[in-house]
Amino acid sequence: QLQLQESGPGLVKSSETLSLTCSVSGASISGNSYFWGWIRQPPGKGLEWIGSIYYSGSTYYNPSLKSRVTISVDTSKNQFSLKLSSVTAADTAVYYCARDYQRDWFGPWGQGSLVTVSS
Amino acid sequence: DIQMTQSPSTLSASVGDRVTITCRASQSISSWLAWYQQKPGKAPKFLIYKASSLESGVPSRFSGSGSGTEFTLTISSLQPDDFATYYCQQYNSYPRTFGQGTKVEIK
Repeated sequence: QLQLQESGPGLVKSSETLSLTCSVSGASISGNSYFWGWIRQPPGKGLEWIGSIYYSGSTYYNPSLKSRVTISVDTSKNQFSLKLSSVTAADTAVYYCARDYQRDWFGPWGQGSLVTVSS
Repeated sequence: DIQMTQSPSTLSASVGDRVTITCRASQSISSWLAWYQQKPGKAPKFLIYKASSLESGVPSRFSGSGSGTEFTLTISSLQPDDFATYYCQQYNSYPRTFGQGTKVEIK
């Protein structure tokens, strides 16, 4: 059964870089034609797609965040990672990783990781 | 970006009720729409793709319909496990965008 798990610091200082890793188990990140994505949800608000990556390293990002986002993949560890630079309080959110089915829908999702940006 | 608008924002219903949630797109998205269920403190769960195709394992009381700009998610007989927030998401064009959510609460 495919499972995803986010990990990383829960607190990041304003203007610094947020870093999270998603560990994938139950399937190879290199298998099939799946992409792997990041989605975030500010407290009490809706969902925002951040970006996605293919095992080959091909990426595509939400234009609203593109200048600050880097997503990378490590196939040897079956993981992919998110870096968001120059964070502000507006970046405080629960960050989810998920399988991105052919760049269409998302599922399954990791349990989520709350990241708070402090001043 | 394509804007997705859900209505109502909150819906109060009882167990056994038939429930319908509407999702409208700011432009035509054909049938490229997905639905998710999210319970408090949990990750969203994928329910439906291509507007009306049920993901494996999703109860048959859930159904989706629509095309173009107007879509609906229907729960034919609301069960205790169905009280949650539901989101629609378009994948017709990038960036993919979500609706603001519809909370289904106990009446």
